[in-house]
Amino acid sequence: LAKTTQPISMDSYEGQEVNITCSHNNIATNDYITWYQQFPSQGPRFIIQGYKTKVTNEVASLFIPADRKSSTLSLPRVSLSDTAVYYCLVGDNNNAGNMLTFGGGTRLMVKP
Amino acid sequence: DSGVTQTPKHLITATGQRVTLRCSPRSGDLSVYWYQQSLDQGLQFLIQYYNGEERAKGNILERFSAQQFPDLHSELNLSSLELGDSALYFCASSVAATRETGEQYFGPGTRLTVT
Repeated sequence: LAKTTQPISMDSYEGQEVNITCSHNNIATNDYITWYQQFPSQGPRFIIQGYKTKVTNEVASLFIPADRKSSTLSLPRVSLSDTAVYYCLVGDNNNAGNMLTFGGGTRLMVKP
Repeated sequence: DSGVTQTPKHLITATGQRVTLRCSPRSGDLSVYWYQQSLDQGLQFLIQYYNGEERAKGNILERFSAQQFPDLHSELNLSSLELGDSALYFCASSVAATRETGEQYFGPGTRLTVT
């Protein structure tokens, strides 16, 4: 079973750029990489999704190298309200039944 | 508000019992996913349905089962409950049939406590 690995926690300050990396060996050829944000006692909320290279939306950017074995979520100019847990989600090609695998989550603390 | 509803919000039951968790997807979404979130296991994918058919299966125990009805709501049945089944259970929905495209919208979750 492929393992999806993220740093457990990160600290940042308001206004800084934050980059969170997820390692995902054995990502399936047709799988996308998706990032979610979760606040306490709430369901995860979609941030961004990509397949390769770079994707940008109004809240974040996602960088995916050519081998797609990792991805980096970039949050520009974070604020206190970005304090949350961030998860990457990818597929697992070791399981023909289309397994979805979440990373363990990165707890981001934004300080004033 | 994601538009996905889950009931009940909280559920407390005893070991050996059976419970049913219910999920109503966003209007127009055909795909429903179930996830389990616990402190030691993190977020675990259980199963996906698309338009009434099972589409993908994850770490779902044999004691657990799910179905999606013609009106697209879904139920997750958990039986012979054990203490380790205590967790937050999330339902998510999406328009797309597969995970490759389209975001998933998560409900608020059902917190299950097995005593």
